[in-house]
Amino acid sequence: EAQVTQNPRYLITVTGKKLTVTCSQNMNHEYMSWYRQDPGLGLRQIYYSMNVEVTDKGDVPEGYKVSRKEKRNFPLILESPSPNQTSLYFCASRTGYLGTDTQYFGPGTRLTVL
Amino acid sequence: AQKITQTQPGMFVQEKEAVTLDCTYDTSDQSYGLFWYKQPSSGEMIFLIYQGSYDEQNATEGRYSLNFQKARKSANLVISASQLGDSAMYFCAMRETMMDKLVFGAGTILRVKS
Repeated sequence: EAQVTQNPRYLITVTGKKLTVTCSQNMNHEYMSWYRQDPGLGLRQIYYSMNVEVTDKGDVPEGYKVSRKEKRNFPLILESPSPNQTSLYFCASRTGYLGTDTQYFGPGTRLTVL
Repeated sequence: AQKITQTQPGMFVQEKEAVTLDCTYDTSDQSYGLFWYKQPSSGEMIFLIYQGSYDEQNATEGRYSLNFQKARKSANLVISASQLGDSAMYFCAMRETMMDKLVFGAGTILRVKS
């Protein structure tokens, strides 16, 4: 089954404790992105990657890191989480071959930083 | 800069009736795509329908249709014959063709009444 998977689905942590949210897709997609969803703001892009070893900042990159060492994986790293990073996080992927192709979203990771 | 506006924070509709969810957008690009996503209470993002800026006909997918008025920069979602399972948050989003980022509106919560 074609899908984007994320782990963990739920995470409660404390300020300053490094964490990684994994993302993997099995569709051989070139493009992968991370978004965060906050009430009243919709989803906002954090980082994106157009291919292996190619990453770039989205609209809200502060406090986050990413890497793309393999085509299928795109982990999101919070080196020193803070309470304002409490949010619902989505990983997404698409082929990238057409400007209008559909973005597939993972199931989401609900993060709470105390 | 791209912007999506959804002016209806919440909507009610009677089961089996049609409902229109409003979406206006702002872009200086001529080539872009418009998307609608559904987010049920379980949290996942479900792709519903896509409209390209050069498409002359309004997009339809089953009970979903997109009322695209390019001159007005509006892309309203019409759901016909509402069902209880349509109760969810609905997001309008746009991507300019040469960009990776999806820009989302704040969303509209739809409640279908029996």
